Amino acid sequence: GAVVSQHPSWVICKSGTSVKIECRSLDFQATTMFWYRQFPKQSLMLMATSNEGSKATYEQGVEKDKFLINHASLTLSTLTVTSAHPEDSSFYICSAGGGGVKNIQYFGAGTRLSVL
Amino acid sequence: QKEVEQDPGPLSVPEGAIVSLNCTYSNSAFQYFMWYRQYSRKGPELLMYTYSSGNKEDGRFTAQVDKSSKYISLFIRDSQPSDSATYLCAMGYSGSARQLTFGSGTQLTVLP
Repeated sequence: GAVVSQHPSWVICKSGTSVKIECRSLDFQATTMFWYRQFPKQSLMLMATSNEGSKATYEQGVEKDKFLINHASLTLSTLTVTSAHPEDSSFYICSAGGGGVKNIQYFGAGTRLSVL
Repeated sequence: QKEVEQDPGPLSVPEGAIVSLNCTYSNSAFQYFMWYRQYSRKGPELLMYTYSSGNKEDGRFTAQVDKSSKYISLFIRDSQPSDSATYLCAMGYSGSARQLTFGSGTQLTVLP
């Protein structure tokens, strides 16, 4: 159990366009979802924490208007990268809490974003 | 000083070796401890979690926590090439799922 699905797995877009990434908890209700960014050979960098029905809490240095997070239901959170630029190219990973073991975060497979 | 320190490696071992991966931490408020495995270009996969000092075994994996020394370890017995990945330790607080603090990850290669 505790499966988190993330789509798309890879997206290529032109500079200036917006990209939406979906994160779904398939077999549990995720009270809290997290969005991370990961650069090659580096650890996870937390971008924001979202609770269902409330505004996301962004980490220091993360632009709220650039990275829009919506957590409209207990099974779905979305991250929209607005007006993407090449420097936004990265690996984005979501995680969800509230699954099989209450205190644990379960991760999606990640989304590779390439902005041309 | 980082809250969680983890040797980044890389670590290369021959197939069948016993692997020891370690993290130290400074925040005594951490109450639960996890190990995640991350293959290249994939999301982290939960391997082990524990809430107390001592050992927890699951197949070829053993997680060890020493709260008095603020030290956790993951042992992999009879390592296989398929174990080649980056291993991340993570720590958190009790209650509902809250922010975790991750180590920087150790890159492991098991050579056939």
